[in-house]
Amino acid sequence: SAVISQKPSRDICQRGTSLTIQCQVDSQVTMMFWYRQQPGQSLTLIATANQGSEATYESGFVIDKFPISRPNLTFSTLTVSNMSPEDSSIYLCSVEGPRRDTQYFGPGTRLTVL
Amino acid sequence: GENVEQHPSTLSVQEGDSAVIKCTYSDSASNYFPWYKQELGKRPQLIIDIRSNVGEKKDQRIAVTLNKTAKHFSLHITETQPEDSAVYFCAASRGGSQGNLIFGKGTKLSVKP
Repeated sequence: SAVISQKPSRDICQRGTSLTIQCQVDSQVTMMFWYRQQPGQSLTLIATANQGSEATYESGFVIDKFPISRPNLTFSTLTVSNMSPEDSSIYLCSVEGPRRDTQYFGPGTRLTVL
Repeated sequence: GENVEQHPSTLSVQEGDSAVIKCTYSDSASNYFPWYKQELGKRPQLIIDIRSNVGEKKDQRIAVTLNKTAKHFSLHITETQPEDSAVYFCAASRGGSQGNLIFGKGTKLSVKP
């Protein structure tokens, strides 16, 4: 399986500020995915990040709020901008496995906005 | 839009009994159906998956069945153990992209010793 790490693992932030979450994979992957899991809820895809192109956002998510970078095939960042308490969630990155036949999740970043 | 419905939302069984969780999906183009187990405070872990060209897949105590015509797929856990207690999520791919997943709302499974 792919080894995925995320930083930070958790953070507590003030409203109006921004937080950048990093996702690092131990192998090169074409696509990386960012998901949100609100407290006690299911997972929702925010966007798909391909190296060298603009991220593709799902309905309800916009680039100004969740800018994404994908500078190379092993790394991506998601920024949560101008945060409000409603942004309190776990943010997870996801990648395909080495054989591209399974999908793995990173450990997640638990964000609390006060 | 595309949707995945999952039932039941909670399930309580006695140790040794079987547990069944059912999902339905709406996107006819979905071709990948993974199941994830999430323990409290941890990431979702893939436990089994199935593709649209297969009707059933089994891995030890866990099996998944898929009925493409009815757009149903189910998770079956036999001989349940207390460590099976967790939240289980089904998911369906949006079209052919296995990373672009639509998740069900989850089933909280409790296995009582």
